[in-house]
Amino acid sequence: KNEVEQSPQNLTAQEGEFITINCSYSVGISALHWLQQHPGGGIVSLFMLSSGKKKHGRLIATINIQEKHSSLHITASHPRDSAVYICAVLNDMRFGAGTRLTVKP
Amino acid sequence: GAGVSQSPSNKVTEKGKDVELRCDPISGHTALYWYRQSLGQGLEFLIYFQGNSAPDKSGLPSDRFSAERTGGSVSTLTIQRTQQEDSAVYLCASSARPSILAGGGTTQYFGPGTRLTVL
Repeated sequence: KNEVEQSPQNLTAQEGEFITINCSYSVGISALHWLQQHPGGGIVSLFMLSSGKKKHGRLIATINIQEKHSSLHITASHPRDSAVYICAVLNDMRFGAGTRLTVKP
Repeated sequence: GAGVSQSPSNKVTEKGKDVELRCDPISGHTALYWYRQSLGQGLEFLIYFQGNSAPDKSGLPSDRFSAERTGGSVSTLTIQRTQQEDSAVYLCASSARPSILAGGGTTQYFGPGTRLTVL
């Protein structure tokens, strides 16, 4: 069993829809990261959070340390949001398998 | 400033050959990480350098894999006697402080990766 689990594995949405990607972890953490990997392979760090909620543009990340659960939300999704989103516990070098998001126009 | 760079961007080699992959981290970043991402798989940690300390090699899959970091900056990942299962994208990242020592609370900046294909 992977210690960092993401769901769903694949997600297809229509432009404008609200997107939620979930991450559950079983290891102890002090911070959790959300990464975005574009089709060309480049990886960008979106958020690092240890409590509460962070917002950047249309992206929102939340974490509940007690429940060991984090969510990444995308509001008003756009085709350029199409990418693989990866949840990571970097202090333990553990990664979720990723969620492949496709947003159709 | 410049981000993390890696070279080559693509490498095709024959089974049994040795390959060297290069990573130039962001200037001033003390921590450097190598990861591997096989086709359709998630990221896999390989090795981690922090300053002048001995590297954490716990993720290296076999003794055919080695890495060094010269002068606390550029790093080279070497794969000897390549096998077809070594085919993957090899990603390098750096951070200003080590993610491990900082309890995971520091951002890693990823390079574009090197796509290795072993025929």
